[in-house]
Amino acid sequence: AQSVTQLDSHVSVSEGTPVLLRCNYSSSYSPSLFWYVQHPNKGLQLLLKYTSAATLVKGINGFEAEFKKSETSFHLTKPSAHMSDAAEYFCVVSLNTGNQFYFGTGTSLTVIP
Amino acid sequence: GAVVSQHPSRVICKSGTSVKIECRSLDFQATTMFWYRQFPKQSLMLMATSNEGSKATYEQGVEKDKFLINHASLTLSTLTVTSAHPEDSSFYICSARRPTSGTTGELFFGEGSRLTVL
Repeated sequence: AQSVTQLDSHVSVSEGTPVLLRCNYSSSYSPSLFWYVQHPNKGLQLLLKYTSAATLVKGINGFEAEFKKSETSFHLTKPSAHMSDAAEYFCVVSLNTGNQFYFGTGTSLTVIP
Repeated sequence: GAVVSQHPSRVICKSGTSVKIECRSLDFQATTMFWYRQFPKQSLMLMATSNEGSKATYEQGVEKDKFLINHASLTLSTLTVTSAHPEDSSFYICSARRPTSGTTGELFFGEGSRLTVL
């Protein structure tokens, strides 16, 4: 069975401090992993993806994530939060077969000025 | 980058009428598109998988006669909410899958459509 767990429903950080959004997955197969961001009343924008190449993936807006197979994790990080980072973040897993994508429940990031 | 266009972004309709939402992939051919419904402060709920040239695959609990999906071309899928009622009011989002060799590919999302049924 496949699943995605975002460990925190809400994260609050001060502007300029590091961001850590956690994601764990379970998959019987070698997965592809994605992080998407959603601003209010908008669609989802791809931040970064892992597809079995380098385990440390760099994305847009200074975000990066590291695939750790031993920990079945794909946590999203950013060294310094910006006010514009306040949004909802979704971790998504797909198997490398078929059409199925599995969504986490989302993490709401608040950035305090 | 790939772009998916969704229209309309907002629609208000009277109870009992039907509403059509369009989802277009602008710079790649999408054999598969997905339709989601999102309730406030919740994750996306997959409604159906739309396959070009064939019938859509609906998730359990989603009424296929209520939510009609058509995927007539490689760049366009439509969702029609028939005989809409206030409980159908929601944020609907489409995505298109761009395949990548050896993997499932990645999803590109539309901007979403806010449906309000009076």
